[in-house]
Amino acid sequence: DAGVTQSPTHLIKTRGQQVTLRCSPKSGHDTVSWYQQALGQGPQFIFQYYEEEERQRGNFPDRFSGHQFPNYSSELNVNALLLGDSALYLCASSFLSGNSPLHFGNGTRLTVT
Amino acid sequence: DQQVKQNSPSLSVQEGRISILNCDYTNSMFDYFLWYKKYPAEGPTFLISISSIKDKNEDGRFTVFLNKSAKHLSLHIVPSQPGDSAVYFCVARAGNQFYFGTGTSLTVIP
Repeated sequence: DAGVTQSPTHLIKTRGQQVTLRCSPKSGHDTVSWYQQALGQGPQFIFQYYEEEERQRGNFPDRFSGHQFPNYSSELNVNALLLGDSALYLCASSFLSGNSPLHFGNGTRLTVT
Repeated sequence: DQQVKQNSPSLSVQEGRISILNCDYTNSMFDYFLWYKKYPAEGPTFLISISSIKDKNEDGRFTVFLNKSAKHLSLHIVPSQPGDSAVYFCVARAGNQFYFGTGTSLTVIP
């Protein structure tokens, strides 16, 4: 039973560029959430996708956008990259309803230079 | 606005002794609480959870206690093992959104 997988594992981009991160949820899960973890901080909620729609959004600018596909996989896109976007980006999957814990991938380490 | 607070950034415990990790929260709408463990270069791993209608949940060496009146959560690990050395995150849910604390780095000394 495959868990949550994320790609790529590491990425280096230049300020102003755009980046796309990918996530495949744990088998059977229907909901995907994205988090940003800066150094020394806890993960911060970016947004959540269910049935291919953004259901909830945290306090992140519109430069952060996403998509969920019919097979429940998801992408996170960040436009006009800033140095402050350098962080670990974590994808988590779960069931939408009930007391369902988040299951995380190992993340994508994004460095913006 | 940090709604979930872990005021101890680090904790050291001798192997075999009890580790107690604490967490305070401010939002009375939180209805589900979780603890995650994180090793470097890995994603957080789910450890144990508790619903707001309970005050204790136990799973092997891990026990979570919830004091709703004090808005306080704790994780007890007994006995502590060197492999428990990691960063522990307290997490709380309101609606469909999960809020993380800043983490406590636990070191278990052999």
